[in-house]
Amino acid sequence: GENVEQHPSTLSVQEGDSAVIKCTYSDSASNYFPWYKQELGKGPQLIIDIRSNVGEKKDQRIAVTLNKTAKHFSLHITETQPEDSAVYFCAAAAGGTSYGKLTFGQGTILTVHP
Amino acid sequence: DTAVSQTPKYLVTQMGNDKSIKCEQNLGHDTMYWYKQDSKKFLKIMFSYNNKELIINETVPNRFSPKSPDKAHLNLHINSLELGDSAVYFCASSHGASPLHFGNGTRLTVT
Repeated sequence: GENVEQHPSTLSVQEGDSAVIKCTYSDSASNYFPWYKQELGKGPQLIIDIRSNVGEKKDQRIAVTLNKTAKHFSLHITETQPEDSAVYFCAAAAGGTSYGKLTFGQGTILTVHP
Repeated sequence: DTAVSQTPKYLVTQMGNDKSIKCEQNLGHDTMYWYKQDSKKFLKIMFSYNNKELIINETVPNRFSPKSPDKAHLNLHINSLELGDSAVYFCASSHGASPLHFGNGTRLTVT
């Protein structure tokens, strides 16, 4: 089955700095890669996703890059703000009827210091 | 509000008891899921239903039984609760290739 590795497990940055979280996956059949943000006491919330037919996607301060050959994808957050502090999860799925069968990474605790 | 809602939010019970968690979505989605998040925050899929039909059934003890009375509802019944069942259980829904929308979880504590 799919295995997703996520690094780092914790990340501490100053407000205004950039943050990068990296994930690798094992199953070459995976073609859907979402990123979720989880705040304390809440469920994971989708922040951005990318499908295998594109290499990069951007939404304001958030961008995701995908390298299918190397089987890795990354989340980039620019101009970080204290409200970006949360746990971030990457995930992978094989698509088709399996879009919802997400294999998650272990999570990254991001702390943005004012 | 359009959302995935779960009840109860907190559930504290003793070993050996049977309990249920309920989930409802009003997003018009056709697929619903149960995910489990353990104490280390690791998220893992348990079950998925599409239009009331079970389509994903991961390696979960058969003490866990999902039920979907209609495509807007998915419940999780757990028999003979064990200490290791303590976790946060998340319901989610999706439609076709759309992203998953998660509920805010049910924190189950077994004492």
